[in-house]
Amino acid sequence: EVQLVASGGGLVQPGGSLRLSCAASGFTLSDHYMDWVRQAPGTGLEWVGRTRNKARGYTTEYVASVRGRFTISRDDSQNSLYMQMNSLKPEDTAVYFCARVIGTDTVDFWGQGTLVTVSP
Amino acid sequence: DIQLTQSPSFLSASVEDRVTITCRASQGIGSSLAWYQQKPGKAPKLLVYGTSTLQSGVPSRFSGSGSGTEFTLTVTSLQPEDFATYFCQQLKTYPLTFGGGTKVELK
Repeated sequence: EVQLVASGGGLVQPGGSLRLSCAASGFTLSDHYMDWVRQAPGTGLEWVGRTRNKARGYTTEYVASVRGRFTISRDDSQNSLYMQMNSLKPEDTAVYFCARVIGTDTVDFWGQGTLVTVSP
Repeated sequence: DIQLTQSPSFLSASVEDRVTITCRASQGIGSSLAWYQQKPGKAPKLLVYGTSTLQSGVPSRFSGSGSGTEFTLTVTSLQPEDFATYFCQQLKTYPLTFGGGTKVELK
């Protein structure tokens, strides 16, 4: 059974940092691109970024609003995905989902999400 | 960035109704579009990818069509478990973007 379990969310002050983790099981993480997607309270979905797989050199893509502040990484040997979030802003408040990509584009499975709240 | 405009934003329907949701892209994206269903407090679920390919396990009452800039998700006979919010996502160009969502409510 495929599982993605995100953790690491919490309350942080503006300008602070958090590191989100996503534990993957039930599939071979190294085969897949992986995404982070967020959803601010009561709003729609926003794609945050992607890490490609080992075959594609673990290269990354980000939405402009987080580029330079967020860094996606992965440890396939630990079946884990990470996102380091620095210089957090109130507008980064959201539930953050980790998600598995099939092929090179579509997310086919989402984890349950972890809530990040950026507030004084 | 490619903007996706979903319509309607809200839809009131009854069980067994046929419903259609539209997603318009600000520029051509070929067939690089997916549809997701999300229920309150839950993660989204993939319904359709590549515009019209039904994800494994998704009921055949769901279908997707379109190309270029206009896409539709159709549910031929709405079931109680289909009341949810639906999102489209373009997968053509980074940053990947989502439509604003369509909430399907019970009339």
